[in-house]
Amino acid sequence: GAVVSQHPSRVICKSGTSVKIECRSLDFQATTMFWYRQFPKQSLMLMATSNEGSKATYEQGVEKDKFLINHASLTLSTLTVTSAHPEDSSFYICSASPLTDRNNYGYTFGSGTRLTVV
Amino acid sequence: AQKITQTQPGMFVQEKEAVTLDCTYDTSDPSYGLFWYKQPSSGEMIFLIYQGSYDQQNATEGRYSLNFQKARKSANLVISASQLGDSAMYFCAMREGWTGSNYKLTFGKGTLLTVNP
Repeated sequence: GAVVSQHPSRVICKSGTSVKIECRSLDFQATTMFWYRQFPKQSLMLMATSNEGSKATYEQGVEKDKFLINHASLTLSTLTVTSAHPEDSSFYICSASPLTDRNNYGYTFGSGTRLTVV
Repeated sequence: AQKITQTQPGMFVQEKEAVTLDCTYDTSDPSYGLFWYKQPSSGEMIFLIYQGSYDQQNATEGRYSLNFQKARKSANLVISASQLGDSAMYFCAMREGWTGSNYKLTFGKGTLLTVNP
């Protein structure tokens, strides 16, 4: 089945530094990937839609300059949290869908990245 | 207005019994898909079941079934013969439109299911 690999699974960084999170589709090509943020005991909130070869589409209220998204190939999208602050601490999770499977089997999710900014 | 509403923050069920998790949705798009995901404490999102807006029959996947009532805009998840491993957060989600259109997922707030031995 479709597999999405996300790294790192956990990261602790100092306030003011940047953190890069990778999302890879291992056995399929993904022209579109989605980045979500989830606070404890809350739902997934879509941050942005990552499009291969073009600029990401950000949801309202998400700072583009703070959450940099790059989708340089059909199998890799990266989310960089720039100048991280404690309020950026959260669970970040990506998802993608096989082009031929989108209608019936939804979206495959990465295992998520738990970011802690100290 | 919320697109996906899950009114049960938490549910309890005895092992081996059935449980229904509620989900209502709001859309004016005639083409949409409804999904249920399970999220254990580890955080991974596990796909459970899918229902398309044009599907005539309710979806079933093993112990999971989706009670799709289109006129009421509800898509409740039924878990039969609950197991201890079913304890997790459950999310209902919707995609509006088909391939080629805006197909991002919108999630409900989730229901925390606890299965008691």
